[in-house]
Amino acid sequence: GEKVEQHESTLSVREGDSAVINCTYTDTASSYFPWYKQEAGKSLHFVIDIRSNVDRKQSQRLIVLLDKKAKRFSLHITATQPEDSAIYFCAASEGSNYQLIWGSGTKLIIKP
Amino acid sequence: GGIITQTPKFLIGQEGQKLTLKCQQNFNHDTMYWYRQDSGKGLRLIYYSITENDLQKGDLSEGYDASREKKSSFSLTVTSAQKNEMAVFLCASSMGGARGEQYFGPGTRLTVL
Repeated sequence: GEKVEQHESTLSVREGDSAVINCTYTDTASSYFPWYKQEAGKSLHFVIDIRSNVDRKQSQRLIVLLDKKAKRFSLHITATQPEDSAIYFCAASEGSNYQLIWGSGTKLIIKP
Repeated sequence: GGIITQTPKFLIGQEGQKLTLKCQQNFNHDTMYWYRQDSGKGLRLIYYSITENDLQKGDLSEGYDASREKKSSFSLTVTSAQKNEMAVFLCASSMGGARGEQYFGPGTRLTVL
């Protein structure tokens, strides 16, 4: 079955710099790739997603890139701010309409 | 806006005990999910339900039962708690399938003594 690997378990960047979190997946049939954020002591919430019919999507300071050939997708956070500190999870939909396969999470630390 | 509530927030059980976790949503969403979150790991799907009285097993369903008697509620039962088990159980809901935003509850933290 589908496997999603999230490569950075922890990422530390200086405030104002960009952060990049990378994920890879195994199932070529995967077509939906969301990102979720979990702030300390809180539950997950959706931040951005991308579908396989495009290779780039931007929402304010968040950019998602999808490379279907390499089976890789990434979340870019530009001009990082303290409130970006959180654990970010990537996921992929393996073709059934109801199951997401999740990465293990990346803890993003924004240093002053 | 809507909200997902999970009860209890903390659950302490004994080995072998049957434990029930409850989830309510007022989004009027069709699909509800139960996930297990272990420290340092991603979410793993236990059960999901695409409508009232429907149940579908996820990859981690062994050792769990679920019930969706109303559209707004979805409960999860740990059939026999394992000693030293510690995890957070997250309930979520979405309008359609997985290819749309899922809304998560605050979680139930389980500790088994």
